Amino acid sequence: KQEVTQIPAALSVPEGENLVLNCSFTDSAIYNLQWFRQDPGKGLTSLLLIQSSQREQTSGRLNASLDKSSGRSTLYIAASQPGDSATYLCAVWEGGSEKLVFGKGMKLTVNP
Amino acid sequence: DGGITQSPKYLFRKEGQNVTLSCEQNLNHDAMYWYRQDPGQGLRLIYYSQIVNDFQKGDIAEGYSVSREKKESFPLTVTSAQKNPTAFYLCASSTTGGVTGELFFGEGSRLTVL
Repeated sequence: KQEVTQIPAALSVPEGENLVLNCSFTDSAIYNLQWFRQDPGKGLTSLLLIQSSQREQTSGRLNASLDKSSGRSTLYIAASQPGDSATYLCAVWEGGSEKLVFGKGMKLTVNP
Repeated sequence: DGGITQSPKYLFRKEGQNVTLSCEQNLNHDAMYWYRQDPGQGLRLIYYSQIVNDFQKGDIAEGYSVSREKKESFPLTVTSAQKNPTAFYLCASSTTGGVTGELFFGEGSRLTVL
């Protein structure tokens, strides 16, 4: 059974730092991996989708990498801002199923 | 604007009542999903549908029912058989499902049982 882990569960940093958020998964047979952002009381906003054949994707200050063989993905946030404060979740599409398996998320606080 | 609309945003229910949560999308997506989110447990899949008039149970389908009569709509009914229905419910859709599809979410519906 696929399991997705995000450690740590929470992170508090000063504004301006470059950040690396980690995501690990137990089964490398995935179709793709998706990173989301969730603000309190809101739905999830898609940040980046990495197909299984890709190694990374970039959008603005965000860069996500995928290493299927080691079961890891990282989300890099450059020059963090207070507006980046949110919970970040990663999720993988299981190979052979139509289900997206989520990590429990990492709550990020960027202090001014 | 294209997107996923969930209603109501907040809903209060007395024990023993059925309630229906609405989810409508205008993204022309084939696949639609319902997730439940509880603090500390992450998102769990309730039901999903890849095509009109067809749907499958997810990991926690007991006490829930769905229908998919139109491509744009995937309502979720929380029945009185659901023992702990207080939660945040999220609807999502994607183009083709797991192989290539990016998942998009609505703003969620918060259900509280009094």
